Amino acid sequence: ETGVTQSPTHLIKTRGQQVTLRCSSQSGHNTVSWYQQALGQGPQFIFQYYREEENGRGNFPPRFSGLQFPNYSSELNVNALELDDSALYLCASSLGQGWGTEAFFGQGTRLTVV
Amino acid sequence: TQLLEQSPQFLSIQEGENLTVYCNSSSVFSSLQWYRQEPGEGPVLLVTVVTGGEVKKLKRLTFQFGDARKDSSLHITAAQPGDTGLYLCATGWGNEKLTFGTGTRLTIIP
Repeated sequence: ETGVTQSPTHLIKTRGQQVTLRCSSQSGHNTVSWYQQALGQGPQFIFQYYREEENGRGNFPPRFSGLQFPNYSSELNVNALELDDSALYLCASSLGQGWGTEAFFGQGTRLTVV
Repeated sequence: TQLLEQSPQFLSIQEGENLTVYCNSSSVFSSLQWYRQEPGEGPVLLVTVVTGGEVKKLKRLTFQFGDARKDSSLHITAAQPGDTGLYLCATGWGNEKLTFGTGTRLTIIP
């Protein structure tokens, strides 16, 4: 059973560009959540996907968008990058709905916007 | 405004010492989780506490949930270099969004 994997691990982009980050969920998990972790902060919830539908969104602008595919892998897209978007982006997967389901995190993608 | 405030923000102690870190809020929670995050990795769940006053032990780590379910503490006995990392408390569980605290960055000096 493989864990949650994210790609790429590091990325440097220029302000105004667009970026796509990828996440493969743990085998059998159908829920994927994305978090942004700025330096020295705790992770902040961006949005969650359950069975290919968005299932909740945090306080992030529309230029942050996502997708979940039939195999439950997911993408996070960020348009019109800003310097403040520089952060560690974490993906977490879990199985199903219901209180008490544990979320498993990937190692993250470190995005630097210059 | 942060829902969960953690203290101290930074802590550096010698190997073998004991320490306690705190997670506080003005809100009541149905459950609270503690995670450890090492450099270059995602957070890893250590424990979930759900009952006011609950105490859970994980080897040298002791977790306590406040009686009013508004706060929690993590006590480490005889700290080791392997305990070094960012300790995060969080509320929300499973399909609910997780709301994390500000974190305590712990460094254990050999």
